[in-house]
Amino acid sequence: GESVGLHLPTLSVQEGDNSIINCAYSNSASDYFIWYKQESGKGPQFIIDIRSNMDKRQGQRVTVLLNKTVKHLSLQIAATQPGDSAVYFCAEKTSYDKVIFGPGTSLSVIP
Amino acid sequence: KAGVTQTPRYLIKTRGQQVTLSCSPISGHRSVSWYQQTPGQGLQFLFEYFSETQRNKGNFPGRFSGRQFSNSRSEMNVSTLELGDSALYLCASSLVGGVHLGTEAFFGQGTRLTVV
Repeated sequence: GESVGLHLPTLSVQEGDNSIINCAYSNSASDYFIWYKQESGKGPQFIIDIRSNMDKRQGQRVTVLLNKTVKHLSLQIAATQPGDSAVYFCAEKTSYDKVIFGPGTSLSVIP
Repeated sequence: KAGVTQTPRYLIKTRGQQVTLSCSPISGHRSVSWYQQTPGQGLQFLFEYFSETQRNKGNFPGRFSGRQFSNSRSEMNVSTLELGDSALYLCASSLVGGVHLGTEAFFGQGTRLTVV
């Protein structure tokens, strides 16, 4: 069935290094993609989004890349900090308003 | 301005009981969406209410229901609780109707429901 999945369930990075979190999606009708950050005991927090007519979008220390050919989405975090430790998950929205979320990747930053 | 408020934060119920969760959206927001989050399934859309009417619905059994009041506050009810209903229930508020994500939707901190 349709799904959004993450390749790595857990990721540990050294403080100051760059982090890359990946996501695969299967619905070619999806036209809007979002990355969320969820800290323990909190609700999801919007990080960055990208529409299907773009390949790359940059925010503050974060970059999202979209490869429609292989249906792949990635989140890059530059100079990872301890405050970046959280669960990150992707989400897609189809043109007919169906929303699918990935299961999440836990990012742990080693000081 | 105040964010999305969900009450209670934690809840423990017994199988077979029913439960009601509450969500107060951001002031001025008229749409409330509900989600279930479990370790195995991730976030799944339950339903969305706008102007006191259910506008969108996910693939959950009829035991899951909701309503919205004239002040846009929403409640979610789960009847005949099962162990598998243990989850974090999140609501998100949006200004207008429809299923919104990203910058258009703001999540609450959730209600952690444990069914024993």
